[in-house]
Amino acid sequence: ETGVTQTPRHLVMGMTNKKSLKCEQHLGHNAMYWYKQSAKKPLELMFVYSLEERVENNSVPSRFSPECPNSSHLFLHLHTLQPEDSALYLCASSPDPYQPQHFGDGTRLSIL
Amino acid sequence: AQRVTQPEKLLSVFKGAPVELKCNYSYSGSPELFWYVQYSRQRLQLLLRHISRESIKGFTADLNKGETSFHLKKPFAQEEDSAMYYCALRIQGGKLIFGQGTELSVKP
Repeated sequence: ETGVTQTPRHLVMGMTNKKSLKCEQHLGHNAMYWYKQSAKKPLELMFVYSLEERVENNSVPSRFSPECPNSSHLFLHLHTLQPEDSALYLCASSPDPYQPQHFGDGTRLSIL
Repeated sequence: AQRVTQPEKLLSVFKGAPVELKCNYSYSGSPELFWYVQYSRQRLQLLLRHISRESIKGFTADLNKGETSFHLKKPFAQEEDSAMYYCALRIQGGKLIFGQGTELSVKP
């Protein structure tokens, strides 16, 4: 598998659970992103990492916690989520923040 | 405020007909515009960017700063063009702002 890989593809969790979404890229890119895509709404940028440092935090609730241990991996740690957090979470990467982004298939998250 | 507007949620045309997907933006700085496409059961991918001034799969888009538009056009639509199309604006810092998307349906 080349490009941007996201796991799991689907996740169902209760509001009190703790889970993590994983994103991996082996494109040699230095920037990685998390987006949220809710029904009937545009893609919303959540976080941007460049060279493993967070450069953008788009007023995202603290129940979403990103982690970028190296330039190839990006995590989104989830805890105490709300039903309105049910959405498709997309990861993307690019050589730098000014180059076109390559997207993963996304993780479909459902909060019970 | 920065914003991208795609006024049509769904655009349905017949094969061979011309197609134009509208995109308008609001941004006080120097804009950089993109079109992304998502075919059924595939991931979101870049279709074209305005600075490249190229034609991809027969699609073109011209940035009109006077009208703050970046409409996507193709003279003769094909069934395989059916997909979701997203217009995106890159602003300072590299942040991408997406429109709501337009679903293009090309009927045989």
